Amino acid sequence: AQKITQTQPGMFVQEKEAVTLDCTYDTSDQSYGLFWYKQPSSGEMIFLIYQGSYDEQNATEGRYSLNFQKARKSANLVISASQLGDSAMYFCAMVLSSGSARQLTFGSGTQLTVLP
Amino acid sequence: ETGVTQSPTHLIKTRGQQVTLRCSSQSGHNTVSWYQQALGQGPQFIFQYYREEENGRGNFPPRFSGLQFPNYSSELNVNALELDDSALYLCASSLGPGTGVRNEQFFGPGTRLTVL
Repeated sequence: AQKITQTQPGMFVQEKEAVTLDCTYDTSDQSYGLFWYKQPSSGEMIFLIYQGSYDEQNATEGRYSLNFQKARKSANLVISASQLGDSAMYFCAMVLSSGSARQLTFGSGTQLTVLP
Repeated sequence: ETGVTQSPTHLIKTRGQQVTLRCSSQSGHNTVSWYQQALGQGPQFIFQYYREEENGRGNFPPRFSGLQFPNYSSELNVNALELDDSALYLCASSLGPGTGVRNEQFFGPGTRLTVL
């Protein structure tokens, strides 16, 4: 069974500074994908970034980058130059290549607050 | 391109009643997954429908059931509602599960169910 752990229930960051949100995962599968989603108070899950287990380079999408350390089973999200609109809940999630459904397994989330 | 839509946005039911939630998938997507998100937690996978058949199921009792229609829209039915069923129910559409772990799921805005 797979598991995602997010140990930071809440984080604060000053506007324009960078912040790292932690995510560790546990699986015995060799092929898997890691996702980060943003969930504003409206409730919709917004895809941010993806990292495949066989990707050799860390993923980047604009101000988002994923610090992937496979041996440590960590996939931390780095947000550079934080903006007030970044205040939201952030979820790390994993998909395994085994099994038919490719369902997402989510962590418990980190509430990020960006301070002006 | 039309995104994922869900109805209703909010719903209040009493214990023991039955409820039906609806989801329209994004254009071109033939797979719908349902997730339950209790307050303060990450979403939990309920089940997935692919080409009108259930393609995987999480750890939810049989009173949670679903349907997918030929146009790939989907329903989630919950019978004999319990207080713990109060949650945000998220629907996500994607391409078929055979497309690999990078198969991004696009989420709808969710239906917030309150059971009194």
